[in-house]
Amino acid sequence: QVQLVESGGGVVQPGRSLRLSCAASGFNFRDYAMHWVRQAPGKGLEWVAVISYDGNYKHYGDSVKGRFTISRDNSKDSLYLQMSRLRVEDTSVYYCVRVAAMGLDYWGHGTLVTVSS
Amino acid sequence: QSALTQPASVSGSPGQSITISCTGTSSDVGGYNFVSWYQQVTGKAPKLLIHEVSNRPSGISNRFSGSKSGITASLSISGLQTEDEGTYYCCSYTNTSSLVFGGGTKLTVL
Repeated sequence: QVQLVESGGGVVQPGRSLRLSCAASGFNFRDYAMHWVRQAPGKGLEWVAVISYDGNYKHYGDSVKGRFTISRDNSKDSLYLQMSRLRVEDTSVYYCVRVAAMGLDYWGHGTLVTVSS
Repeated sequence: QSALTQPASVSGSPGQSITISCTGTSSDVGGYNFVSWYQQVTGKAPKLLIHEVSNRPSGISNRFSGSKSGITASLSISGLQTEDEGTYYCCSYTNTSSLVFGGGTKLTVL
């Protein structure tokens, strides 16, 4: 069965960096584009970034552009999100999500990032 | 990119039908047949219900259906059940190659 397991969340001070990871299993990871989607506490969903199946195409939401970097290692079935210059408003649960047929069909359980001094 | 517009809440009785609207612009909902819908139960990750406007993934009940007219997409749920309670989000591909979500609609089954 498809599984996506995020890790790397925690409490970090504003301006610092954090790297999230997502371990994929149960499917051929290298065949799928992947997204990061976040959700602030008590709020709605916000798209963060996408990476193509081969890592050659990356695109970011306006609120994270220039601060976050999405990457993947197909040899390790893993997706990453490097977050720098973190802001209080980046506090959210971050979900690793697979895309198929233009639908976000499998979601991880999420990892909470709290940006606070 | 502004969020798509959804009603904050809807409600219905068991067995009834409800419809949730999702209004965007010609740059997102109106420009592409790439609208999807998600159900989120409190404390859980979202679940895909509909992709490409009206397609149901395997395992999703045919009580859920999607449609689109112009810049407004809709999710309909027939034969409401108590287990349908949760928050529903629409999502669209946009002309800047990004995704945009709606603000979410909380469904209460009375």
